[in-house]
Amino acid sequence: GAVVSQHPSWVICKSGTSVKIECRSLDFQATTMFWYRQFPKQSLMLMATSNEGSKATYEQGVEKDKFLINHASLTLSTLTVTSAHPEDSSFYICSARDALAGVLDTQYFGPGTRLTVL
Amino acid sequence: SQELEQSPQSLIVQEGKNLTINCTSSKTLYGLYWYKQKYGEGLIFLMMLQKGGEEKSHEKITAKLDEKKQQSSLHITASQPSHAGIYLCGADIGGGSNYKLTFGKGTLLTVNP
Repeated sequence: GAVVSQHPSWVICKSGTSVKIECRSLDFQATTMFWYRQFPKQSLMLMATSNEGSKATYEQGVEKDKFLINHASLTLSTLTVTSAHPEDSSFYICSARDALAGVLDTQYFGPGTRLTVL
Repeated sequence: SQELEQSPQSLIVQEGKNLTINCTSSKTLYGLYWYKQKYGEGLIFLMMLQKGGEEKSHEKITAKLDEKKQQSSLHITASQPSHAGIYLCGADIGGGSNYKLTFGKGTLLTVNP
């Protein structure tokens, strides 16, 4: 299957700093990328959907000014957690959808990034 | 509210036993996806179902989507320790340009040798 990478795989930062997470589709073009958040023993919660070259669509309750998403190319999307606080500590997973795979294509997931805010 | 209900929440089986995980939606599903996740890692795609009554198999895992496209089951035959993990069902509840993949809470599977 298609490969999606994330970087970094884990990050520890101080409260108040900003953290950028990169998501790349390695062997396919992704017109749409998704960012999810997962708390321990819970399911994935969709944060936002980003289409290449346009503004991201955020889910209800997700602060767009806090979670900045940029999808500058068909293979790269970034999530920046601005002014991070301990409650932002979580497992962030990106996902990409293959633009050439047709209507009912498959969404592939990255390995996730564990963010810990001290 | 949780749109996808998975059951059971957790399951412990002895190696070699068969098991079934269910995923139910109150809405018609445009596509149903099964993923496997190991804690702290990404999701591994298993299967996608789109048509009512569809059934797919890969190795010892079989997934079915009912005729009404509101319920799916994942069946593992002769389970092995390598099957252990979190199984997540995901569903497109929007369809077409309204595509959005949402997930159930997952089923934690433990396979004892």
